[in-house]
Amino acid sequence: EVQLVESGGALVQPGGSLRLSCVASGFTFGAYWMSWVRQAPGKGLQCVATMSSHGDKKFYEDSVQGRFTISRNNSQNSLYLQMDRLRAEDTAVYYCVRADSLWALDFWGQGAQVTVSS
Amino acid sequence: DIVMTQSSLPSPVTLGQPASISCRSSESLVDIDGNIYLSWLHQRPGQPPRLLINKVSNRLSGVPDRFSGSGAGTDFTLKISRVTAEDVGVYYCMLCTHPTWTFGQGTKVEI
Repeated sequence: EVQLVESGGALVQPGGSLRLSCVASGFTFGAYWMSWVRQAPGKGLQCVATMSSHGDKKFYEDSVQGRFTISRNNSQNSLYLQMDRLRAEDTAVYYCVRADSLWALDFWGQGAQVTVSS
Repeated sequence: DIVMTQSSLPSPVTLGQPASISCRSSESLVDIDGNIYLSWLHQRPGQPPRLLINKVSNRLSGVPDRFSGSGAGTDFTLKISRVTAEDVGVYYCMLCTHPTWTFGQGTKVEI
């Protein structure tokens, strides 16, 4: 069974930093592109960062470029999102998501709540 | 940037009746390899999204056959042949625009 389990969500002050982790199981993690998708309260979905299966390609949404860093450790089946210089508008549930061979986001974790507030 | 615009549904929808959600793109969705990587997600309240359909019309294993996807060019549709109580939630169309994904704003189904 495919599982994605996020951790690291918290309440943090504006300007602060947070690192999200996602541990994958039930599939060959190193064979899949992975993404972080966020959902602000009562809002829709936004893909903020994507990494290729071997980690050689990365993509960031414009609003997080230069502040967020996606990384992975295939030997530990783990995906990470380092978030620096956090802003109130980064408040959201952050989902760790797998991309399938037909370029759909097919498995989603339960999400990690990130709240940026003073 | 591509913008995906979804239609709304009357609220509430009627159990047992069909429902259809439209997703329109601001430009052609054909990828450089000739494929259209348009998918549909369903999100129940308090739950993460679940993938229902990928590549326009390919229904995933375990998804009830009352769900179907269709479309071409810039217009795509998710149809529910007979709405049931478990279909409540928000439906999103999702497009892969390498190397990221773009989502419609969501369509709420209330019963």
